Amino acid sequence: AQSVTQLGSHVSVSEGALVLLRCNYSSSVPPYLFWYVQYPNQGLQLLLKYTTGATLVKGINGFEAEFKKSETSFHLTKPSAHMSDAAEYFCAVSDASGNNRLAFGKGNQVVVIP
Amino acid sequence: GAGVSQTPSNKVTEKGKYVELRCDPISGHTALYWYRQSLGQGPEFLIYFQGTGAADDSGLPNDRFFAVRPEGSVSTLKIQRTERGDSAVYLCASSSDRGEQFFGPGTRLTVL
Repeated sequence: AQSVTQLGSHVSVSEGALVLLRCNYSSSVPPYLFWYVQYPNQGLQLLLKYTTGATLVKGINGFEAEFKKSETSFHLTKPSAHMSDAAEYFCAVSDASGNNRLAFGKGNQVVVIP
Repeated sequence: GAGVSQTPSNKVTEKGKYVELRCDPISGHTALYWYRQSLGQGPEFLIYFQGTGAADDSGLPNDRFFAVRPEGSVSTLKIQRTERGDSAVYLCASSSDRGEQFFGPGTRLTVL
């Protein structure tokens, strides 16, 4: 079974500061990894994904994540936080050889302090 | 184009009642997924359809939960004898074969 661990349910970051959200996964097969964002009263939106190839993945809104197999991690970063980044962020893993079902972490609620 | 839509957006019911939640996927998407998101948690997988058939229903919590997709497009999640613990946001997603999953806004179910 696959699983994802996201620590720290609430993350506060100052406007203009680095955003770092940690994600560690467990998978017995090569994983596909995802970050989703959920704005208030909206559906989940894909930020970025890793399937194969380059381990540094760039997504929308200036976010990027790096797949590190040795650390079983897929941390999300953004160099400079903006007020509009306030949202909930979910890391997810799927089985590259399976049916594409996603296993999500518990999420990080990001608060941006002006 | 139109995204995934879910109806109703909110559903309040009483313990023991039967409810149906509907999902309209993106046109042409063959794969459809249902997830459940409880308060303070990430979404949890319930069931996956490829076309009309349920290819993986291992996430359904018990036999009170059932889902159908009779024509390979719209899907209905059915919950019998609802319990307070069923209260959650039910999310639907669709994708083309094994591509990116696009999520709907969800149905918030409250069981009183």
